[in-house]
Amino acid sequence: QAQLVQSGAEVKKPGASVKVSCKTSGYTFSTSGISWVRQAPGQGLAWMGWISAYNGYAKYSQNFQDRVTLTTDTSTNTAYMELRSLRSDDTAVYYCARDYYDSSGFLDSWGQGTLVTVSS
Amino acid sequence: DIQMTQSPSSLSASVGDRVTITCRASQSINNYLLWYRQKPGKAPNLLISAASSLQTGVPSRFSGSGSGTDFTLTIDSLQPEDFATYYCQQSYSSPFTFGPGTEVDFK
Repeated sequence: QAQLVQSGAEVKKPGASVKVSCKTSGYTFSTSGISWVRQAPGQGLAWMGWISAYNGYAKYSQNFQDRVTLTTDTSTNTAYMELRSLRSDDTAVYYCARDYYDSSGFLDSWGQGTLVTVSS
Repeated sequence: DIQMTQSPSSLSASVGDRVTITCRASQSINNYLLWYRQKPGKAPNLLISAASSLQTGVPSRFSGSGSGTDFTLTIDSLQPEDFATYYCQQSYSSPFTFGPGTEVDFK
């Protein structure tokens, strides 16, 4: 059974960067992708992008494309999401999710979420 | 981008009620439609894929239907753990957009 465990909550100042990790287990990392989804307080879900754990190819939502970078480390079965130039409206819970068919949007297992707070 | 809408945005119901939530896509997405349940403070949980395929372990009181642009999630005999927010998501093309959610609360 796939498990995704994310890094802990972060507090950042405007203009800073944050890097969230997502350690996976229970499945063959390279056979699926990882999508990242964010949820602002009291709001809905917003898909940020996806990365293939097989070859590292990534696709980003235009809403985040200029500020986000997705990476993977196949030696530790871990995915990372870095968001730069943080603003107060980036305050949100960030989720990683296994994209079962690798860029299919089929998000069948999720991490517990990481709260990122941006405040001066 | 494909836009997803849901109705209603919220509804009040009682344990044992039958609940129906509608999701509409801005263009045809065939059956590339997923449904998630999100309990407060928790990550979303995948209930249904391909518009009507129940995920393993999901109770049979959940069902999905539809194709093209119009889809429905039905919960027969609502249980206490079903008071949550439900999201549809299209997996037809990137970006994989979500609906705004439907909150189901106690009447």
